[in-house]
Amino acid sequence: TQLLEQSPQFLSIQEGENLTVYCNSSSVFSSLQWYRQEPGEGPVLLVTVVTGGEVKKLKRLTFQFGDARKDSSLHITAAQPGDTGLYLCAGISMDSNYQLIWGAGTKLIIKP
Amino acid sequence: NAGVTQTPKFRVLKTGQSMTLLCAQDMNHEYMYWYRQDPGMGLRLIHYSVGEGTTAKGEVPDGYNVSRLKKQNFLLGLESAAPSQTSVYFCASSLTTGAEAFFGQGTRLTVV
Repeated sequence: TQLLEQSPQFLSIQEGENLTVYCNSSSVFSSLQWYRQEPGEGPVLLVTVVTGGEVKKLKRLTFQFGDARKDSSLHITAAQPGDTGLYLCAGISMDSNYQLIWGAGTKLIIKP
Repeated sequence: NAGVTQTPKFRVLKTGQSMTLLCAQDMNHEYMYWYRQDPGMGLRLIHYSVGEGTTAKGEVPDGYNVSRLKKQNFLLGLESAAPSQTSVYFCASSLTTGAEAFFGQGTRLTVV
């Protein structure tokens, strides 16, 4: 059973469009991280959110942590081909024995 | 800045052969991890270590062994490789649990 469910699993859109990907759980997380992974590379941290309702922005990327700290979303405005990659969420919770657990990822392709 | 270095990058094994994957980090991190990544399943934790001389089982430890004789190195061993162990293996390190995880570039292992 995946403690962190990511959706959609795959998304292919045109350059300039907006998109949102989701990371959901029935567990409460003390913190949640978003990573981006490019082909042939390891994941690289984009952001960490720790407070319920927290919103963080990284250029055209907006990350939100749910009020109950059970879910998170990543919104990309005016997507660029450079945003292409696998987006992974990962979190720490009591249910995971405080080890980092990972969602399966959203594979995002931005077509020029 | 080397960060986390994994060797080898690619390997093909025959069923029943053994091998060791090497991971080295130069950030003085206490925590080190070995993950496997399979399509649609995200990152699954094999074993981890919270410090020199200590190791612990993760989500999918069967068929693997690890050792952390020095703080900077974390070795993953396959004693008798099976086709089910065909995967991409990632080593990671972090300062503490829940802190940013830094990843190596991965080892693509094929067992035939």
